[in-house]
Amino acid sequence: GESVGLHLPTLSVQEGDNSIINCAYSNSASDYFIWYKQESGKGPQFIIDIRSNMDKRQGQRVTVLLNKTVKHLSLQIAATQPGDSAVYFCAERTGGFKTIFGAGTRLFVKA
Amino acid sequence: ETGVTQSPTHLIKTRGQQVTLRCSSQSGHNTVSWYQQALGQGPQFIFQYYREEENGRGNFPPRFSGLQFPNYSSELNVNALELDDSALYLCASSRTIDTQYFGPGTRLTVL
Repeated sequence: GESVGLHLPTLSVQEGDNSIINCAYSNSASDYFIWYKQESGKGPQFIIDIRSNMDKRQGQRVTVLLNKTVKHLSLQIAATQPGDSAVYFCAERTGGFKTIFGAGTRLFVKA
Repeated sequence: ETGVTQSPTHLIKTRGQQVTLRCSSQSGHNTVSWYQQALGQGPQFIFQYYREEENGRGNFPPRFSGLQFPNYSSELNVNALELDDSALYLCASSRTIDTQYFGPGTRLTVL
């Protein structure tokens, strides 16, 4: 399949460690935030979301933190596995229809 | 799998030609959004369709147009293709403003 994110920031972690991927968003009026995972040759896959009236949300092995003061979003992955290797995108939505994606971070998990 | 399908998987066209890409949304989803993803970048919002009407548009010229059908499937049409139109075209479906689920994309190459 095609390569996604040839020149993206890269985070390299050891299998079993926790990963933290950070994202700065642009619009203080954004009210909904999403993290997507994209593997080579595939479309983005929904991981977790959070609304602007929350500052933390947990899923299975993942946690999203939202700091509206500094317009910062982070994705924490616990006990990172080789299958977590992919490009991760944060996305923000304002007004209900237009979703704006960040540039992406490549996560590389070392076995 | 998200239940969102796209066709064709790959397509090669020459400059000046026209192309039509197709998307079938997930069952129960009435909203379809289209994105363009250039190599090494995040997806860029093209437009969204809701109940067969364009519901919002990103910063793309009028030669990018679309349709949504009564069964909520959708087409993206691009006229007068340019080299810079080479990208992965992604379709995402949702129930109104709920979470969007992406298809695998169509890889368009313009020569």
